[in-house]
Amino acid sequence: QSVLTQPPSASGTPGQRVTISCSGSSSNIGINNVNWYQQLPGTAPKLLIHSDNQRPSGVPDRFSGSKSGTSASLAISGLQSEDEADYYCAAWDDSLKGPLFGGGTKLTVL
Amino acid sequence: QIALKESGPTLVKPTQTLTLTCTFSGFSLSTTAVGVGWIRQPPGKALEWLALIYWDDDKRYSPSLKSRLTITKDTSKNQVVLIMTNMDPVDTATYYCATHLEWFRLFESWGQGTLVTVSS
Repeated sequence: QSVLTQPPSASGTPGQRVTISCSGSSSNIGINNVNWYQQLPGTAPKLLIHSDNQRPSGVPDRFSGSKSGTSASLAISGLQSEDEADYYCAAWDDSLKGPLFGGGTKLTVL
Repeated sequence: QIALKESGPTLVKPTQTLTLTCTFSGFSLSTTAVGVGWIRQPPGKALEWLALIYWDDDKRYSPSLKSRLTITKDTSKNQVVLIMTNMDPVDTATYYCATHLEWFRLFESWGQGTLVTVSS
């Protein structure tokens, strides 16, 4: 069972803005950076956001991340059909002494 | 251009030992603050971190699986090996290896994954 809690599903129509939440604790999100991964159907995960709100080269600025306390959020604006994927948050956990993944959120573009 | 590829058996029997190899290119595991990790994903389920090994041979394991895992590296061959003992059908999953940047604590580049099925 994941210690980082995400909603199992989210949805939106093309052009909309959607947010996905990730709730953790003082041993992970509260003191370490949050990263987000996008997993398109049948493919390996891809780093989408790192260090709470930084986009790797090539990631559209429609994707943004934020963090407050022990929670983080991924926002996708101008939703497109190709954004339909599973999204995972992750953070280092100082108690675990290793990385933790959230349970994942399946985003459906209606 | 960083690339990683997982290899190993696609089918193992319960109680057997699984040996997976991650062969990579485009970086060196002797570079400061670079690591390689293993992550698995059961069909239709979430990602689960298994193990990490760093440039200085520091090793980290998921506490829930620590007793069953061994991770090693061969810097000259650009390979990282994961050994998992006493396999069970619940270990059926796609196993990924990925680069881990120690300072940023993130998995940057991922392999394509290899599906391992545990069945008699």
